[in-house]
Amino acid sequence: AQSVAQPEDQVNVAEGNPLTVKCTYSVSGNPYLFWYVQYPNRGLQFLLKYITGDNLVKGSYGFEAEFNKSQTSFHLKKPSALVSDSALYFCAVRPMNYGGSQGNLIFGKGTKLSVKP
Amino acid sequence: ETGVTQSPTHLIKTRGQQVTLRCSSQSGHNTVSWYQQALGQGPQFIFQYYREEENGRGNFPPRFSGLQFPNYSSELNVNALELDDSALYLCASSPKDGSSYNEQFFGPGTRLTVL
Repeated sequence: AQSVAQPEDQVNVAEGNPLTVKCTYSVSGNPYLFWYVQYPNRGLQFLLKYITGDNLVKGSYGFEAEFNKSQTSFHLKKPSALVSDSALYFCAVRPMNYGGSQGNLIFGKGTKLSVKP
Repeated sequence: ETGVTQSPTHLIKTRGQQVTLRCSSQSGHNTVSWYQQALGQGPQFIFQYYREEENGRGNFPPRFSGLQFPNYSSELNVNALELDDSALYLCASSPKDGSSYNEQFFGPGTRLTVL
């Protein structure tokens, strides 16, 4: 079965410290990988994606993610956390061999990031 | 550029009733996907519409149905509501230019409560 795992329900970081939110996936073929952020009472906002090429992807608001094919991971990182980064973060994959539909994003359960001043 | 909009924001229904949720896609986007996000869970794919036809479906029963209109807006209909249908329903749009690596743009969602 194809799936995405976010092993941490919550990550706590002090402001100014680096943060990592973990994501591993299990899909057939080479997936497209995405990170989204959700603020309270809001929809999901796109942060970044990995399609091909350089394993380190840079995205919005200073976030970046590292794709590791051998470990099937796509961890989200930021060198210096801000209090305003506190939100719910979702990792998602789209298997390339899904029959052509663009809709089949498979999401993890989400990780709540809490950044304290 | 107008983003994805959804209506209503909140909705309360009782078991057995039917509900219709609406979505307007982002300007220039002709593909709409619907997701169900239960409390404490990640979104789950319900189905996608492209050019007014269903273009992929997740593991949801037939009582979940949809429509897409010529202006690319979309509706999600749920019949015979069950308590477990209580969730945030998210609509997402994307351009269909043959590139499945395009990210999807999400609306704010409709919170459905079934009593």
